[in-house]
This record gives sequence, C-alpha cells and structure tokens, in this order.
Amino acid sequence: QVQLHESGPGLVKPSETLSLTCTVSGVSIHGHYWSWIRQPPGKGLEWIGYVYYSGSANYSPSLKSQVAMSVDTSKNQFSLRLTSVTAADTAMYYCARYEDTWREFDYWGQGTLVTVSS
Amino acid sequence: QTVVTQEPSFSVSPGGTVTLTCGLSSGSVSTTYFPSWFQQTPGQAPRTLIYSTNARSSGVPDRFSGSILGNKAALTITGAQADDECDYYCVLYVGSGTWVFGGGTKLTVL
Repeated sequence: QVQLHESGPGLVKPSETLSLTCTVSGVSIHGHYWSWIRQPPGKGLEWIGYVYYSGSANYSPSLKSQVAMSVDTSKNQFSLRLTSVTAADTAMYYCARYEDTWREFDYWGQGTLVTVSS
Repeated sequence: QTVVTQEPSFSVSPGGTVTLTCGLSSGSVSTTYFPSWFQQTPGQAPRTLIYSTNARSSGVPDRFSGSILGNKAALTITGAQADDECDYYCVLYVGSGTWVFGGGTKLTVL
C-alpha cells in the first residue's frame, strides 16, 4: 500500500525558509515524479511543482524564485524548500505522486499545516 | 498567467445529475490539457476522481465521469448522494511541465 507522509515545522518566521519532507512507503521513489501542492486556509489548491527521482524539477512560474525541491533516494524521501516566506505562504502543504505515464496525481499525503508568523 | 475557471458553487437534488465545468480565462480546454478532477471533504486531503479527461482513478464509482463539453472540461456526477456534498477541483496541464488548479466548486446536495 502506497503511503506518503509530510513532516516539518508547523511554524516558520517571516523571511525565513520553510522546509518540508515527504516520506514515501510502499513504493520506491525511483522512476516516478513527486509533487508538492498547497492550500491556504479556506482557499483553493495551488500546484507548487514536482521533482523527478533523478533530481530534475519543474516549478510553478509564480513560485519559481522561492522554491527548490530535492530527492533523497536512500531514505525514499523528497523535500520542499521555500525561501523568504511571508504570511501568504501559510497553508496546508500536501505531497503527492505524479504518474507521468497517465498524467495522474494518484497518491496523496494527509497534509501538514505550516503557519508563517513571528 | 493562465487562469483556470470553475463555478464557485453548484447545487443538485439527491439522485439528480450535475455537471461541473473547468475552463480557461483565454482559450479552450482540450484533451491536450489532460484535465484531472479532485474531490475534497472538509479537513481531508484531496482524492483524485478523474485524470486525463475521462479516466477514472482506482476505486472511483462509475457515477463520476469526465469529458470535454464544448470548450471546457466537465465532471458529471449521476445519482448524486448526500456525501457528494463537498469541494471539487480541476487541474490542467498548461505546458512546459506545469499545472494550474481551478478555484474549486462547492457542491451542495439538497
């Protein structure tokens, strides 16, 4: 059974860097794309980007200057870094597997809430 | 910047049929946008219903179907049930390896 689990600090100060990790179980991280999606409280979903198991990545143009994604194949994990955060980055952050063959976001984590506040 | 449009809200009677749409602020949606649809109940992660226009995700009942209607992607729910009342989101592939979500539709079953 494929499972994804997000982890990281629930509170980040403005101007600092948000760092989250998604741990994948039930499937190897090899050969797949891994995505981050966020949802501000009471608002809609926003695609942040995805990273291939090799480390190559694609990001949303609106977040490209802030975002970096990476993969740790030895731990079957992938990560998100978002720099210079503001209150607008407060959101539930979800990780998901993106299956490029079918163009499907097929497995999702339960999400982790990150609040940006001093 | 590509804007993906959805109806903010919709209502359907129990047992009825409803079609939600997903469009572009400029241009038409076609299969080359690989539209996907997601269902989200309060406090839960999204659940994928439909991908690549009309493929049903594993375990999704066949009363959920996807299509292209005119210049938009569409999600049709037949035989609406009380627990279909939640938020529905679409996402479109807009090229260069990037995706854009719509703003979501809040569906009421009453």
